[in-house]
Order: sequence, then C-alpha cells, then structure tokens
Amino acid sequence: QSALTQPASVSGSPGQSITISCTGTSNDIGYYNFVSWYQQHPGKAPKLMIYDVNNRPSGISNRFSGSKSGNTASLTISGLQAEDEADYYCNSYTATNTVVFGGGTRLTVL
Amino acid sequence: EVHLVESGGGLVKPGGSLRLSCAASGFTFSSYTMNWLRQVPGKGLEWVSSTTGSSSYIYYGDSMKGRFTISRDNAKSSLYLQMNSLRVEDTAIYYCARDPRVGATVTRGSFDSWGQGTLVTVSS
Repeated sequence: QSALTQPASVSGSPGQSITISCTGTSNDIGYYNFVSWYQQHPGKAPKLMIYDVNNRPSGISNRFSGSKSGNTASLTISGLQAEDEADYYCNSYTATNTVVFGGGTRLTVL
Repeated sequence: EVHLVESGGGLVKPGGSLRLSCAASGFTFSSYTMNWLRQVPGKGLEWVSSTTGSSSYIYYGDSMKGRFTISRDNAKSSLYLQMNSLRVEDTAIYYCARDPRVGATVTRGSFDSWGQGTLVTVSS
C-alpha cells in the first residue's frame, strides 16, 4: 500500500488561512469517507484534529476543517496562530482493512 | 482520563526479538479496538497493526505481516506487540493508540488517544 501524498511544507502568516492537500487513490481516499488528520508538535505524540473527512473531535477549534474531492482530501486551518506551527499528517482507511498515512507536511507560521 | 503507557523498547540486534507492552487506564479497555503505530524519529507515521476488543479481528501493515504479532489481555487492560526477525528499518518510536469507536470491528484511521511512545533501535 503506497503512502498518501502530501506537500512537504506550507507556510502562512498569522490570521491567514492555509490548506494542506492529501492525495490517494480510488482504493483509499477516493472510495471511503474515512480520512483523518493529525497535528504533531516536536517530541509529542500526534493529536487527532479531524476524523471521517470533516468531523472535529470534542475540544478541537473550529478553525480546523476538512474536506474531500475525488482522491484528494484537504485540511484547512483558518485564522492561523503561532501554536498551529507543527507537522500535519493525513491518513485513510483502505480497501484491504488497513490504514495508510501521508508523508507529513511541516506548517510554518511566518 | 484515558491513559496509555508503552514499555519494552530498547536496543536489539538485527534478527532479534522484542515484546512491547501498552498499559491502558481510564476507560473500558475491552470495548475498544487498539492499535500499534510507529514513527522513525524525524520521519512520518506508519500504522502497524490493530486488534478488536475481543481479538476477533486482527490486521497488519504489509511490512509487518509474518514478523509481528499483536495481542491483548483485557483482564490486565494491556496491549502487546511481539516483534520477531527485526530489521534495521524497524527502528522507530512505537505508539499504542485507541480507536474511539466502541465495538469497532475494523479501525478506520481515527486514533483519539496515544501513549508517549517507546523507542526500538535495531542495530548491530
């Protein structure tokens, strides 16, 4: 199972919005609405930010939103804040009952 | 509060074996599908394996099949990962994580609680 494709890095200024893409295939993102997004700060465990494409767990800011079109999922962060600077990972359920991750995107808040 | 604590990591030679443990607390362990994931330091995340609450359904990532075995002891609220025939490329931080859906028969990639991880280093 090949990894999902994410941009290596994105950046934005405080207050701006950014979008991180996550491209898979018709055997994962394109077929199932089971895409999750994680935020990871250095030295910390990942934190679930979005699940099932566009659902936020309790306690996650509504500045974080998810969407999907075809084989590509996206995470949008609006009103960028300094504490949003982190690595972001997407994943998807696959047709073989496994989970595949993207390579990760480093978000820099300028 | 959900709490997951991994242990058992360390230095092992290529071809060797290691058993990781994850102690869970703060929730009804037997009701949840549990997972192992790993991350090479400085690199991306990789899902390793999952087991449902009753151990009825177990799945593995392709590179772990035949070498790793996931198991659980619900009486002890503990999750395990037996790793055999270890390779240099298995060097990583290993995390246990919970699927938040009660009674799930397959994990769909959402992991709401994670441990702090345990480092496994495979080197001669």
